[in-house]
Amino acid sequence: NAGVTQTPKFQVLKTGQSMTLQCAQDMNHEYMSWYRQDPGMGLRLIHYSVGAGITDQGEVPNGYNVSRSTTEDFPLRLLSAAPSQTSVYFCASSYSANRGNSPLHFGNGTRLTVT
Amino acid sequence: DAKTTQPPSMDCAEGRAANLPCNHSTISGNEYVYWYRQIHSQGPQYIIHGLKNNETNEMASLIITEDRKSSTLILPHATLRDTAVYYCIVRGSGGGADGLTFGKGTHLIIQP
Repeated sequence: NAGVTQTPKFQVLKTGQSMTLQCAQDMNHEYMSWYRQDPGMGLRLIHYSVGAGITDQGEVPNGYNVSRSTTEDFPLRLLSAAPSQTSVYFCASSYSANRGNSPLHFGNGTRLTVT
Repeated sequence: DAKTTQPPSMDCAEGRAANLPCNHSTISGNEYVYWYRQIHSQGPQYIIHGLKNNETNEMASLIITEDRKSSTLILPHATLRDTAVYYCIVRGSGGGADGLTFGKGTHLIIQP
């Protein structure tokens, strides 16, 4: 049971480069989301999706794009990397977009360094 | 979502039950109590959640007081691998963005 799978685990980018962080879940979950975690800042929501074809912005969306063409996949694109985007990125999914009784399950993260 | 208060750190001997308290005195009727943990450099791991009744799964038990203003997470037989930061979170129902605010949590250290 793979759960939420994120790739790559580590990535180093130069300022201005673009890349895509991959996220896939095999639990047929409706809701998917991306967070970044910085020291002393906790988790901050970047983008989320309540179903295939539907995405919306979270708390810190600038510099990131997402798409949800399938239920399983929710890639996060960095358009032009900046040092401020150095962080650990977590993808999460839950069965239902109605969040009360639907636990979020997290991947193990992508550690991104932008130089 | 209601705020939660947890002790910053706790110790527990290996093999003993670890009891982690959480206060959520402003919780409202449709808000759930969730517990997650994060082991250094890994993703947050879901442990258990509940609304009113006590809950148990293969990882832990959750005891919620009758007035719902506090709860206790119980790890019945703690192992060294349970050393982690444990987060108590209150989540409301409804759709849309799920900000999932993690506070500072409790750093649980299991002693051999």
